[in-house]
Amino acid sequence: GAVVSQHPSRVICKSGTSVKIECRSLDFQATTMFWYRQFPKKSLMLMATSNEGSKATYEQGVEKDKFLINHASLTLSTLTVTSAHPEDSSFYICSASVAGPGYNEQFFGPGTRLTVL
Amino acid sequence: DQQVKQNSPSLSVQEGRISILNCDYTNSMFDYFLWYKKYPAEGPTFLISISSIKDKNEDGRFTVFLNKSAKHLSLHIVPSQPGDSAVYFCAASASGGSNYKLTFGKGTLLTVNP
Repeated sequence: GAVVSQHPSRVICKSGTSVKIECRSLDFQATTMFWYRQFPKKSLMLMATSNEGSKATYEQGVEKDKFLINHASLTLSTLTVTSAHPEDSSFYICSASVAGPGYNEQFFGPGTRLTVL
Repeated sequence: DQQVKQNSPSLSVQEGRISILNCDYTNSMFDYFLWYKKYPAEGPTFLISISSIKDKNEDGRFTVFLNKSAKHLSLHIVPSQPGDSAVYFCAASASGGSNYKLTFGKGTLLTVNP
């Protein structure tokens, strides 16, 4: 149980195009999903917290107009990198949360490698 | 300000021996702690967690110890196996915080030598 998928796993695009990444919880419902970015040899950087049916909460320094997040259902959240540039190249990882009083577990997707040429 | 610190970027141990990975935190509001294992180009995999009401949690070869007064936790892997070689992330959350978001350390690369 607790499987999270991401699609695509790898994408290469030209500068200026937009890229959509999907995150799905396959066997459970997640009220909250998180989007992370990982730079080489760095920790996971939380970009935003996404709640079903409401606007995402972005971390400081993350441009909400550049990284559009939509959480349409309890099993799907999408991240769209708009007008991508080479500096947006990174490994993007989503997670789906199962949490309540006294426990908090996040299950991560396999990640999406974005390369912007 | 880094609220979760893993001060050892790497650790190398011999197969069969114990691996001890350490993590310190500064935010006294953190009350739930997790360890994740990550291979390159993959998402993190949940290993084990501990609530602040406990000081130890064990699951097979993995044991997490929590010392609240020292704001320190550690992950023990025994016996270590070559397949345990990966980056290990410590994470923490505050139940009263926003949406239970996790704060991660920078990770420790564990290498288990055959």
